[in-house]
Amino acid sequence: QVTLKESGPGILQPSQTLSLTCTFSGFSLSTYGMGVGWIRQPSGKGLEWLANIWWDDDKYYNSSLKNRLTISKDTSNNQAFLKITNVDTADTATYYCARIGGAHCFDYWGQGVMVTVSS
Amino acid sequence: DIQMTQSPASLSASLEEIVTITCQASQDIGNWLAWYQQKPGKSPQLLIHSATNLADGIPSRFSGSRSGTQYSLKISRLQVEDTGIYYCLQRYSNPPWTFGGGTKVELK
Repeated sequence: QVTLKESGPGILQPSQTLSLTCTFSGFSLSTYGMGVGWIRQPSGKGLEWLANIWWDDDKYYNSSLKNRLTISKDTSNNQAFLKITNVDTADTATYYCARIGGAHCFDYWGQGVMVTVSS
Repeated sequence: DIQMTQSPASLSASLEEIVTITCQASQDIGNWLAWYQQKPGKSPQLLIHSATNLADGIPSRFSGSRSGTQYSLKISRLQVEDTGIYYCLQRYSNPPWTFGGGTKVELK
């Protein structure tokens, strides 16, 4: 059974760094072809892809966030991480992590974690 | 970047009616397209992958098709539980992966 769960700070101030953790089970990020992605969704708006990390440590980012993103993984502890530097109120959203599996797209999603950026 | 233009933005249909949602890709993306359903307060659920393949556990009234760079999601007989917002996702370009803008499906 594949499960993912996001965790984060809840609220942070502008200019701070947002650190998110995705803890998963039911698959391994060391398995060929597996990946984990991060997606966010401001309240009442659509989905925005942020970054993917793959079993071989390949990483891909949404360039619209202008080098503010860093994705990483801890394979032995079944975790993936996302950092967003210099946050602004526009980064207020629900953040999801999702598995990239045999269907070559996001096939399992976490429940999401709400993040609010406010002074 | 590849743009995904999803239409309509919203629709209202009756029970058992046929519903079709489309995503137009700005360039060739092959079959690298997925469809998701999102209900209020929930995370998206995969419906269709590789443009036409039904995901595990998804009812057969959902189907996906492709004509060139236009992709369609069809619900053959709309049910109450099918209300929600539907999104397409292209993963041909790597990066970025791109979602469509979403289609809100309501019952008339």
